Amino acid sequence: NAGVIQTPRHKVTGKGQEATLWCEPISGHSAVFWYRQTIVQGLEFLTYFRNQAPIDDSGMPKERFSAQMPNQSHSTLKIQSTQPQDSAVYLCASSRDRGNTLYFGAGTRLSVL
Amino acid sequence: GDSVTQTEGQVALSEEDFLTIHCNYSASGYPALFWYVQYPGEGPQFLFRASRDKEKGSSRGFEATYNKEATSFHLQKASVQESDSAVYYCALSDTDKVVFGTGTRLQVSP
Repeated sequence: NAGVIQTPRHKVTGKGQEATLWCEPISGHSAVFWYRQTIVQGLEFLTYFRNQAPIDDSGMPKERFSAQMPNQSHSTLKIQSTQPQDSAVYLCASSRDRGNTLYFGAGTRLSVL
Repeated sequence: GDSVTQTEGQVALSEEDFLTIHCNYSASGYPALFWYVQYPGEGPQFLFRASRDKEKGSSRGFEATYNKEATSFHLQKASVQESDSAVYYCALSDTDKVVFGTGTRLQVSP
């Protein structure tokens, strides 16, 4: 069991560039969650999928953030026209059941210069 | 909406001290409650959970009891070690979404 895999571990972009973050959930898990972590805001919920269907994206900034789950083995979080305030650690987690014990990846640290 | 409150932002202890980190929640339903621990450079790790009133969850010497009347799920450990230094998050899940508290940084000195 390799756990949740997130790539890349670190990403540096210039202001206005696009960033795509990848997540491979644990095999057999039916739900995938995305969170953003900063010192100031802590762990912020962004969005989640269950059985590949988007369920709740209430935490996503509407204009520049989007998430997809094209198959059960990976999900992507895309940030268009990145801004310095997008700098954060983006965490992906998967869950096997509706009891929602989350298993997190190590995160992707995004730095927008 | 649902929320979790952790009153201590930071806790500093010496080895073998008793630990309490307070967690209170607000939820419209009957949520499951969780504790997670995060070490530097890693994502949060599931520590344990409780789903019913008066149920005790425990792992690695840490424990917490679901108290529905007080809406609390306080984390305790009888004797902390330096290796317990980390950030601890209380969380709840009422529907599918998991809501986290702001975290408590525990620093244990030898």
